[in-house]
Amino acid sequence: DGGITQSPKYLFRKEGQNVTLSCEQNLNHDAMYWYRQDPGQGLRLIYYSQIVNDFQKGDIAEGYSVSREKKESFPLTVTSAQKNPTAFYLCASSLASGGSYEQYFGPGTRLTVT
Amino acid sequence: AQSVTQLGSHVSVSEGALVLLRCNYSSSVPPYLFWYVQYPNQGLQLLLKYTSAATLVKGINGFEAEFKKSETSFHLTKPSAHMSDAAEYFCAVSDEKSSGDKLTFGTGTRLAVRP
Repeated sequence: DGGITQSPKYLFRKEGQNVTLSCEQNLNHDAMYWYRQDPGQGLRLIYYSQIVNDFQKGDIAEGYSVSREKKESFPLTVTSAQKNPTAFYLCASSLASGGSYEQYFGPGTRLTVT
Repeated sequence: AQSVTQLGSHVSVSEGALVLLRCNYSSSVPPYLFWYVQYPNQGLQLLLKYTSAATLVKGINGFEAEFKKSETSFHLTKPSAHMSDAAEYFCAVSDEKSSGDKLTFGTGTRLAVRP
């Protein structure tokens, strides 16, 4: 089955540690996205990538980093510089970026930092 | 810049009643509009999208939405609510002029369905 996988489903970390969230897609999509979801705030874009080896900052990129070395993979690292990292993180992909192309979402990773 | 406003963070209806979830957008050019649904602790699933082909758009699970340019609205409706419709619904907008590659999401409306 084609789709987007995110692992793990739940992640717990101590404050001050970096953590990497996995996102893999087998849809052959060029564009991939990372969102953060907090209660009552909808989805906010962290980073996005239109093509391999290229990515752009979204609206809330501070404290996060990404890489896009392969078309199917777009891992997100939450660094210790992120002041409030506890949230639900969603990865998405689309055939191409922007316009009428809908985004397909993974199941999400819930990160808790204490 | 484009934006989306979803009126009502929580909506409650009885099973079998009409569902109406409101979405208003702001865009400087004709937009592309989307409705997504999210069940608890899951990702988002596309319900329907407007891409200027027809103003009344039919989606999955019996939902539809009508694009009204004069009202800058894209409200989501379903004639008869089912218990399985209880979820959070997000409206999103994209236009190539102001956002290029990005979707802008509303803050969501949580739908509760009473038996």
